[in-house]
Amino acid sequence: EVQLVESGGGLVQPGRSLTLSCTTSGFTFGAYAMSWVRQAPGKGLEWVGFIRNKAYGGTTEYAASVKGRFIISRDDSKSIAYLQMNSLKTDDTAVYYCIRDSYDYSSFYYYMDVWGKGTTVTVSS
Amino acid sequence: DIQMTQSPSSVSASVGDRVTITCRASEAIRSWLAWFQQKPGKAPNLLIYATSSLQSGVPSRFSGSGAGTDFTLTISSLQPEDFATYYCQQTDIFPWTFGQGTKVEIK
Repeated sequence: EVQLVESGGGLVQPGRSLTLSCTTSGFTFGAYAMSWVRQAPGKGLEWVGFIRNKAYGGTTEYAASVKGRFIISRDDSKSIAYLQMNSLKTDDTAVYYCIRDSYDYSSFYYYMDVWGKGTTVTVSS
Repeated sequence: DIQMTQSPSSVSASVGDRVTITCRASEAIRSWLAWFQQKPGKAPNLLIYATSSLQSGVPSRFSGSGAGTDFTLTISSLQPEDFATYYCQQTDIFPWTFGQGTKVEIK
């Protein structure tokens, strides 16, 4: 069974840092890209960022709202994706979801097919 | 950035009704449009990808269509478990973007 489990959420003061982990199982982690999406309380979904698998360079993409503050990385040996969040703001308060991105090799596109249950980050003084 | 606009924002419907949700992109995108269902307190669940491909395990009453800037999710016969919020998302161009959501409520 494919599983993604986020951890590392909690209460943090504005300006501080926090790192989320996404521990995966049930699939070949290194073959997949991974994304992070967040949802502020009572709001819709906001895409945060994405990391390609190593075969495609392991490069990253970010939303403008987090670019320069958040860093996505991966450890294929442990099947874990990370979201390092720096200079946190109150607006970063949200549930953060880790997602597996499947890739269609015939048409060259990604789609988010498996989601974790999410971890809550609260940024408050 | 490509803006995704869903309509309506909410819809009240009865069990057995046909429900249609529209998603409009601010510029033409390829067919890389997905639909997700989210129930309160739960993670979103993929229903449709590549505009019209049904994700494994998703009931066939869900279908997707569209091209260019206009896309549609249709629930052919609404079931009690379908009351939820639905989101569209484009993965054609970074940054990937979601619609604001459509809440399907019980009439």
